[in-house]
Amino acid sequence: AQKITQTQPGMFVQEKEAVTLDCTYDTSDQSYGLFWYKQPSSGEMIFLIYQGSYDEQNATEGRYSLNFQKARKSANLVISASQLGDSAMYFCAMRRLRQGGKLIFGQGTELSVKP
Amino acid sequence: DTGVSQNPRHKITKRGQNVTFRCDPISEHNRLYWYRQTLGQGPEFLTYFQNEAQLEKSRLLSDRFSAERPKGSFSTLEIQRTEQGDSAMYLCASSGTSGNSYNEQFFGPGTRLTVL
Repeated sequence: AQKITQTQPGMFVQEKEAVTLDCTYDTSDQSYGLFWYKQPSSGEMIFLIYQGSYDEQNATEGRYSLNFQKARKSANLVISASQLGDSAMYFCAMRRLRQGGKLIFGQGTELSVKP
Repeated sequence: DTGVSQNPRHKITKRGQNVTFRCDPISEHNRLYWYRQTLGQGPEFLTYFQNEAQLEKSRLLSDRFSAERPKGSFSTLEIQRTEQGDSAMYLCASSGTSGNSYNEQFFGPGTRLTVL
């Protein structure tokens, strides 16, 4: 069975500083994908970044980067130069890389950016 | 194309009533997913369609829940005899089979159900 664990219920960061949100996963699959989504108070899930299990380089998307450590089964999200608009819930998720794979989500981390 | 849409956005109902939600996916997407999210938790998978075929259902989807996608376009999720424990945000997502290899799921704004 697949499982995602996010151990930080809440995090605070000062505006313009970097922050790391932790995510560990468990799976017996060899081919899988790891995702991070942002959920503002409005409720919509916004895709941020993806990392494939066979990707050798860490994924980056603008201010977001994914610190992928396959041996440790961790996929931490790094947000650089935090902005007030980054305040939201962040969810780590994974799925098998086959047709129609459902997403398995962690419990989320609430990030608050302080001015 | 404005993305995935869901209607209604909010639904308040009394215990024992039936409710139906609608999801319109991104037009070229052939995969459609339903998730449920309770307060303080991550979304949980409910069911998944590829075109009109319902290919997977979670054990969370009790007999009171039914989902359809009759023409492979929009989908409906019906809950019969609602219970207070059904109160949650119901999220719909869609994805395609072309383009990026990981077939990102695009989420709608959700339908928030409150059962009194």
